[in-house]
Amino acid sequence: DAGITQSPRHKVTETGTPVTLRCHQTENHRYMYWYRQDPGHGLRLIHYSYGVKDTDKGEVSDGYSVSRSKTEDFLLTLESATSSQTSVYFCAIRQGMGTGELFFGEGSRLTVL
Amino acid sequence: QKEVEQDPGPLSVPEGAIVSLNCTYSNSAFQYFMWYRQYSRKGPELLMYTYSSGNKEDGRFTAQVDKSSKYISLFIRDSQPSDSATYLCAMSAISGNTGKLIFGQGTTLQVKP
Repeated sequence: DAGITQSPRHKVTETGTPVTLRCHQTENHRYMYWYRQDPGHGLRLIHYSYGVKDTDKGEVSDGYSVSRSKTEDFLLTLESATSSQTSVYFCAIRQGMGTGELFFGEGSRLTVL
Repeated sequence: QKEVEQDPGPLSVPEGAIVSLNCTYSNSAFQYFMWYRQYSRKGPELLMYTYSSGNKEDGRFTAQVDKSSKYISLFIRDSQPSDSATYLCAMSAISGNTGKLIFGQGTTLQVKP
C-alpha cells in the first residue's frame, strides 16, 4: 500500500487566517487529489494534480489553492479561512491504472471559528 | 439535483443478514463504478471496482451495475459486525482519464451481533 501522511491531523483556527494542509506520499504516484467531506455531501473534489506544477480545479475549488513543487508533496491552502471551510479534508493518490482506484489518507479535521 | 444519489440511512441489520446498498445517478457518461468503505474517523478504502455494466463478486461482496436504469448496488452476504461502516458509491467518466470521482453521500451501516 502507498503511504500517505496528512498534516496536521487536527487544526482549529480563526476566520480570516491562512491555513495550509500538507499531503505527503512515499511513492512516485503521478495523480494526487484533495477532497473535503461534509455531512449530507459525501466527498467533493477540491483540486487535483497530475504532475509537478500541474494542477486543476475540482467541483468546490473556490477559496482554495494548491501547489505541487515535488512529486511527493501536495499542499492545500486556504488563503483566508471561513467557517464554511470547516470540514474533514482527505488527500488521495491514484494507486492503480484504473481511474477510480484511489488510496486515501487518514484525513485532516479543520475547524474554523 | 445531485449527480449521484445515495440514501444516507442509517441502516441497521442483524448479524448474518444480506445487506443491499444502492445508488442512482443521472450522468450517462459514467463508465467506472466504485464502492468505498469508510470506518469512523478513517479515510475511505476501495472495496469494489467495476467498469461498465454487469456483476462483480469478491468474497461476501457483490457489486451490480445497471446502466440502463442508472442504478448500482452493493450486496453484502452473511454480514458481520466488522462490516459496520459508511459505504460510499463513486463514479467516473472516461474523458481525460483524470481519476476525478463523483461520490454519493454515503450510507451508514450497523450490523448488530
